[in-house]
This record gives sequence, C-alpha cells and structure tokens, in this order.
Amino acid sequence: GQQLNQSPQSMFIQEGEDVSMNCTSSSIFNTWLWYKQDPGEGPVLLIALYKAGELTSNGRLTAQFGITRKDSFLNISASIPSDVGIYFCAGQTIQGAQKLVFGQGTRLTINP
Amino acid sequence: DTGVSQDPRHKITKRGQNVTFRCDPISEHNRLYWYRQTLGQGPEFLTYFQNEAQLEKSRLLSDRFSAERPKGSFSTLEIQRTEQGDSAMYLCASSLESTGGLRNEQFFGPGTRLTVL
Repeated sequence: GQQLNQSPQSMFIQEGEDVSMNCTSSSIFNTWLWYKQDPGEGPVLLIALYKAGELTSNGRLTAQFGITRKDSFLNISASIPSDVGIYFCAGQTIQGAQKLVFGQGTRLTINP
Repeated sequence: DTGVSQDPRHKITKRGQNVTFRCDPISEHNRLYWYRQTLGQGPEFLTYFQNEAQLEKSRLLSDRFSAERPKGSFSTLEIQRTEQGDSAMYLCASSLESTGGLRNEQFFGPGTRLTVL
C-alpha cells in the first residue's frame, strides 16, 4: 500500500541532543500528524498540523507542515531517555474515510 | 481510563483457526478504524466505520476478514481460516467527526498482537 518516505530510519544520539526527522510524499495531504509508539503499544498522537506552513509546538516537540503540503518535519529538543521509541508521520486527506497513510517510522535510541 | 481499549492484547492461534478481536472506542466517537501493522512498518488501513455503517474497506481486507460495529459503539474484527501471513498487530482507532470534517484526529488503542503458528 501507499506509504510515506520517512527519514532517517534510525537515530542513535546522546541524551540532551536535539533530534530532527522528516517525512515526504508524492501526494498532497490536508493534515499531517506525528505519533510515537512504544514496544507492544499503539501509536500515541503527539502533534497534528492542519495548514500549509503551520509550525506547532508541544513542549519540547516542534513540527511543521510543509508549504507544498507534501512534507513535514518533527524536531525534539534536549532529548531525554523517555523520548526513546518509534516516531511515525501520517498524512491524511479530508475526503472519504480520512484514513491515515503512515511512514515507515524513525527509531530513536538515546545513550545516557 | 477513557481511551480506546482492545481485547485481547495477545492472541496465539494455529493456522486454520478463526479469531475475533474487540475494540471499544472513546465514548461518543462516531468514527472507528482498523489498521494492521507488521514488524518494522507503519500501520496500514483496513476498514472504516461511521457509526454502524462500514463505509470503506482496503484491498488488504480479504474475504476471510469481516468487521462489524453493530450498535455504533464497539467493533469486532474476525479473521477466518487464519494463515501465517495474518500474524501482525491489529490496531483500532477512533475519532470524532468535527464540523466541516476538517479535523479528524485519530486515537489508537494498545492493539492486539496476533501470532499464527
């Protein structure tokens, strides 16, 4: 099925470092969402973006909806151990089922 | 806890057996989704309900799969004659349709991990 291109696939960083990941698509989306998933659990919604160019923050997390509506990025500042997990981007259109199309995920590992 | 719940959390079955999973959405959420996630991949859409009506099904949903949401509240996903390729995490999500349909934030349950031996 259709998937978004998410990069990097994995990151190994030191605690306190900033993190940046992004997502691109060949299709336009009306909404971009970022989720975090811990092992054996479902994805947890972090940030939702609704307008091209929108920049939204949630604590140490900042995400942007690309101008072309075909990309988004997520930044995490001053990483802490509980940031470990897999981060997924998801695109959504406003037509029909409004189902989510997910990227492959970015696995974040933090060395204390 | 008023989040999405799923039952069971884990299911191990033998090839050829039937299995059924249950999802209880967030109260008053009228939209319910099923997704499937295999190892190392993001979730993929399976099917969607608005209230009790099943309005869209993915081509991933073979004839062996059936989903219901009889009263517009909880939903069940049944897999008949399971195959090893059905092994995956099955995720349920719910959302509340906003005015104009412009916002549809989906909240996921913890998932059901299916292993077919």
